[in-house]
Amino acid sequence: DAKTTQPPSMDCAEGRAANLPCNHSTISGNEYVYWYRQIHSQGPQYIIHGLKNNETNEMASLIITEDRKSSTLILPHATLRDTAVYYCIVRVRNSGYALNFGKGTSLLVTP
Amino acid sequence: GAVVSQHPSWVICKSGTSVKIECRSLDFQATTMFWYRQFPKQSLMLMATSNEGSKATYEQGVEKDKFLINHASLTLSTLTVTSAHPEDSSFYICSGQDHNYGYTFGSGTRLTVV
Repeated sequence: DAKTTQPPSMDCAEGRAANLPCNHSTISGNEYVYWYRQIHSQGPQYIIHGLKNNETNEMASLIITEDRKSSTLILPHATLRDTAVYYCIVRVRNSGYALNFGKGTSLLVTP
Repeated sequence: GAVVSQHPSWVICKSGTSVKIECRSLDFQATTMFWYRQFPKQSLMLMATSNEGSKATYEQGVEKDKFLINHASLTLSTLTVTSAHPEDSSFYICSGQDHNYGYTFGSGTRLTVV
């Protein structure tokens, strides 16, 4: 899996957009970018994934740069319940291997 | 969407006893189940990988005789912590993999050994 780099922590005001960056400069052509989050004392939750096109679902948007060396997860209207650790993971789809979690970004949404 | 039900959500046991944690995939068949543990303020660390009907593969440093994994069916995997000690206190999480749903995680089990 390609190495990823995320800021250790970020703050965001409730109702504002939260933009979480991830650098993955060594990503290979067949590797996807996955985002998961872990709310305190719960199991990780899948958010979104993408290969090279921008993706959007009911939870978030994923913006991947044209050279695919970095991406940004966008929570358009952050709520207090979005306070969690967000993990950016790069890997081949359906590889059969476990997801490797780095340290992630601890997002704190404040009132 | 896919759901993995993990039980119990928390357990307290005495040192020297064994504890079993169950993970069931409710609406998909988990051909592979991964087991993680997470210590306070740390990230998830993979303990072992199990495929249905096969012996589990353990990560380096994880004692296979202490952490017994059974994956007898495509919908059930169990982790038994044998002869538990206080240093085994941790948050244990399972993750089922299916080619359609990708990775689905259980809600975790908080184990406290006293």
